[in-house]
Amino acid sequence: GAGVSQSPSNKVTEKGKDVELRCDPISGHTALYWYRQRLGQGLEFLIYFQGNSAPDKSGLPSDRFSAERTGESVSTLTIQRTQQEDSAVYLCASSLVTATGELFFGEGSRLTVL
Amino acid sequence: RKEVEQDPGPFNVPEGATVAFNCTYSNSASQSFFWYRQDCRKEPKLLMSVYSSGNEDGRFTAQLNRASQYISLLIRDSKLSDSATYLCVVNTNTGNQFYFGTGTSLTVIP
Repeated sequence: GAGVSQSPSNKVTEKGKDVELRCDPISGHTALYWYRQRLGQGLEFLIYFQGNSAPDKSGLPSDRFSAERTGESVSTLTIQRTQQEDSAVYLCASSLVTATGELFFGEGSRLTVL
Repeated sequence: RKEVEQDPGPFNVPEGATVAFNCTYSNSASQSFFWYRQDCRKEPKLLMSVYSSGNEDGRFTAQLNRASQYISLLIRDSKLSDSATYLCVVNTNTGNQFYFGTGTSLTVIP
């Protein structure tokens, strides 16, 4: 389809392992966001990419978290040495950068750290 | 102070009722405003944008009060299918940063 695509949809891992989550934004959307949503909680901003500009990493909770994006295409969010508190749904969203641009979300990657 | 604040609820209302949610934002330079809907264990989806003059979409009416820095959503004639969490979202257009409220939970009861 033409929506935001995320993979894997579900990931169960052991504490201490590294995980990589992938987001494929809507074609032509220059802005890409990662959010984290813990069970029953609101959306927590992690990182924002806009075209070739330096990303806004102000929301990354620790240096175990990193993200990359190649141009205006796919982004990967990597969590190293996972901890149980990393368990959450990781949501990716993309948008056109306009005055009234809305965010389009993927279905999320549900991460469970045992 | 949080960028966007909402009453988390829950709001439990009977079918057919009218219910209103409010949201306040802290940055007076905010430019764009939205209400998103999030169903249980699903991703957020845009419900409606909020325009300065107020706007209506069927049973849903959104209002913006820039002077008081709050946004409202009114749902008339509530349906069971309206049960969801409603997220208030504000965009400062500076760095294109979107700020989400924690959401207001609505349950419409038969």
